[in-house]
Amino acid sequence: AQTVTQSQPEMSVQEAETVTLSCTYDTSESDYYLFWYKQPPSRQMILVIRQEAYKQQNATENRFSVNFQKAAKSFSLKISDSQLGDAAMYFCAYRGNTGNQFYFGTGTSLTVIP
Amino acid sequence: EAQVTQNPRYLITVTGKKLTVTCSQNMNHEYMSWYRQDPGLGLRQIYYSMNVEVTDKGDVPEGYKVSRKEKRNFPLILESPSPNQTSLYFCASSMAGQYYGYTFGSGTRLTVV
Repeated sequence: AQTVTQSQPEMSVQEAETVTLSCTYDTSESDYYLFWYKQPPSRQMILVIRQEAYKQQNATENRFSVNFQKAAKSFSLKISDSQLGDAAMYFCAYRGNTGNQFYFGTGTSLTVIP
Repeated sequence: EAQVTQNPRYLITVTGKKLTVTCSQNMNHEYMSWYRQDPGLGLRQIYYSMNVEVTDKGDVPEGYKVSRKEKRNFPLILESPSPNQTSLYFCASSMAGQYYGYTFGSGTRLTVV
């Protein structure tokens, strides 16, 4: 089974600053998708951004962007101009070419300091 | 509104008393899954289904049952709950194809005493 590792259980950032959350994964597949999900205190899981392994260009969604390093099997999330509403648990996830199996990391709890 | 609806949102039960957590999606998704979320462990897949009458075990299936008799519904059954099944449970659904992320329900906080 694929594994997804988030080595930072907790992170903090000052409001308006930039923070990067790390994620690494292990796979033997060549075609897969990577995702970042946000879980605020409401506990709802919200899709933030996705990256296809075959695309070299890093995905961007407004203030959220990724740094995808396929050879290193690394998929970090950068949040620019952090806002109080960004405070949440963030999960990195992998979905392989079987399509049905999603593998999640253990999560990073992000605190935004006013 | 496109959504995954799971009920109940909170549930406290006693050891050994059978319970069912319901899950329904209105997006005609083929794939549905159940996850449990525990502190420090992230989300772990319990069971998944690729379509009606097609289900398979995830990483932590022991003590759980599922069925997929209709495309929209995917209930999670705990025949004899134990305290180690105290957790936050999520149902999720997705269209076929790895491009699609899962849409999650709002979660069920289960406590087994």
